[in-house]
Amino acid sequence: DAKTTQPPSMDCAEGRAANLPCNHSTISGNEYVYWYRQIHSQGPQYIIHGLKNNETNEMASLIITEDRKSSTLILPHATLRDTAVYYCIERGGSNYKLTFGKGTLLTVNP
Amino acid sequence: NAGVTQTPKFQVLKTGQSMTLQCAQDMNHEYMSWYRQDPGMGLRLIHYSVGAGITDQGEVPNGYNVSRSTTEDFPLRLLSAAPSQTSVYFCASSYRAGRGTDTYEQYFGPGTRLTVT
Repeated sequence: DAKTTQPPSMDCAEGRAANLPCNHSTISGNEYVYWYRQIHSQGPQYIIHGLKNNETNEMASLIITEDRKSSTLILPHATLRDTAVYYCIERGGSNYKLTFGKGTLLTVNP
Repeated sequence: NAGVTQTPKFQVLKTGQSMTLQCAQDMNHEYMSWYRQDPGMGLRLIHYSVGAGITDQGEVPNGYNVSRSTTEDFPLRLLSAAPSQTSVYFCASSYRAGRGTDTYEQYFGPGTRLTVT
């Protein structure tokens, strides 16, 4: 079973920032937080990952709390194409396997 | 690079039939895996491989076989299809641990939609 907890759905207005929360209360010291998304009917797509520090790439920013029990994925300017299911996943440094929960369905509205 | 390719895109089988879902990648990735996704659910790991000649079971392996004779290909065989195997199947690949990156970003194929009647 997935170890992370995410809200089942969220809405966001186009052009605004989308902030997707994730709780990972049992995360261990060597586990990274990964975010993937799945646009309708497509294969999941990697977004970003982090261990302790906040991370940013061309797609999103990842904020990890100091105790590492929760994280937030930020899409700074959401577009309609960002409508997707977003998965927060914990993974150990040498563990390739991904355990998916049900994720958060983000709907970006015009 | 074509990335991860899967064939066929759609398949309908009758109960008891067997078939092989094909997966190939051209990124020289050591790690490959198969997931299934049922409606409204997250992906569940079926089988995975950390290199040619090495395979292992995931969360839901029953009814499926895999083999890995080359780095590029990782076929999934349904031995005797059942309606419970109606699902969308995704193949994924990534670099193996210790190859100079801790990203292990997994690249997913477009999926095979299988219906068993």
